Amino acid sequence: GENVEQHPSTLSVQEGDSAVIKCTYSDSASNYFPWYKQELGKRPQLIIDIRSNVGEKKDQRIAVTLNKTAKHFSLHITETQPEDSAVYFCATYTGGFKTIFGAGTRLFVKA
Amino acid sequence: DTGVSQDPRHKITKRGQNVTFRCDPISEHNRLYWYRQTLGQGPEFLTYFQNEAQLEKSRLLSDRFSAERPKGSFSTLEIQRTEQGDSAMYLCASSWDSYEQYFGPGTRLTVT
Repeated sequence: GENVEQHPSTLSVQEGDSAVIKCTYSDSASNYFPWYKQELGKRPQLIIDIRSNVGEKKDQRIAVTLNKTAKHFSLHITETQPEDSAVYFCATYTGGFKTIFGAGTRLFVKA
Repeated sequence: DTGVSQDPRHKITKRGQNVTFRCDPISEHNRLYWYRQTLGQGPEFLTYFQNEAQLEKSRLLSDRFSAERPKGSFSTLEIQRTEQGDSAMYLCASSWDSYEQYFGPGTRLTVT
């Protein structure tokens, strides 16, 4: 069935270091890949997204890469700051706007 | 506030009772989604509306769950005969003819 696997489940980095979160998906029809940030007790917020006709997208300190052949995509955060600490979710759209989320990565940025 | 709103924010109910949640999307958004999120997990898709039409419904959604969007604006999610396993955060999101979804603050349901 449709699923999205996300790794790692927990990631701890030193302030200023880079963080990378990876997701793999199963449905080859997936054509949109958003990343959400969710702080404790708050709603998920879209931070970056990529469509299937693009291999890479960057927005300041965050970037996303997509490998459709291998069915995986990654989130890269450079120069991490304590305020980047949160849970990050990847997701895919698998036809008809049904959205499948990964289980999340809890990122800790140590000052 | 022009964002997605949900009401109530918290609901405590006894097992077996029915509950109804409301979602008000961003006013010009034609697409509306319902998700369920349990602690430590990602949002789990429940159902999706385009205007007033319910176009997708998760196989995980049992017959106890029903959702409506009668005039293509606000939506309601009803859970009948609640069970303890229904305890979760229920999230609503909306979008306008695009993939980008904006989430509401959620309704936290506790079934005792």
